[in-house]
Amino acid sequence: NAGVTQTPKFRVLKTGQSMTLLCAQDMNHEYMYWYRQDPGMGLRLIHYSVGEGTTAKGEVPDGYNVSRLKKQNFLLGLESAAPSQTSVYFCASSPRPGLAGVNEQFFGPGTRLTVL
Amino acid sequence: AQSVTQPDIHITVSEGASLELRCNYSYGATPYLFWYVQSPGQGLQLLLKYFSGDTLVQGIKGFEAEFKRSQSSFNLRKPSVHWSDAAEYFCAVGVTGNQFYFGTGTSLTVIP
Repeated sequence: NAGVTQTPKFRVLKTGQSMTLLCAQDMNHEYMYWYRQDPGMGLRLIHYSVGEGTTAKGEVPDGYNVSRLKKQNFLLGLESAAPSQTSVYFCASSPRPGLAGVNEQFFGPGTRLTVL
Repeated sequence: AQSVTQPDIHITVSEGASLELRCNYSYGATPYLFWYVQSPGQGLQLLLKYFSGDTLVQGIKGFEAEFKRSQSSFNLRKPSVHWSDAAEYFCAVGVTGNQFYFGTGTSLTVIP
């Protein structure tokens, strides 16, 4: 099993350009997440999905859109990139939470994005 | 509101020395707590988790953590660090709906 994979690993954009980051998981997980990681700020949730065809906003959703057309894939789009979106982006997936309402998240290797 | 604080931005220890990384959380209900490790250029890997039961939990790579409800803490420990433990460590609290709130991380340097 590959676990959680992310494409691409690195990308440089110019301000105003658009791009899509792809996350794929082969663990049949229901939940998927997109985070951004910035120095001194830890990981912040951008958007998440609790199942195919459903998405929801996280802590920092502005400037991003997502889609979950297939259970195994979760796409993050930047319609008009800005320098403030320079960051490392992590995708994660999780089984449906049990009785506790919480379950472990499994992370991909990250995508390093630079917006000039 | 829920939050996680890791007071130490950076820690340096000698190889073979003991290690303790601090984590404090703020959450009104029963906390579900996690420690993740991030090696340079890699994603996050789960070290250990606390859901309920024994307040001392064992994880991978010889790490352990102790949940102290009275202090709202979940500190990570290792009795003898190895050079390969140099990494960034994140504490997180999971809340109902499987939302995670991460601390800002502690960077660990291990000197020979």
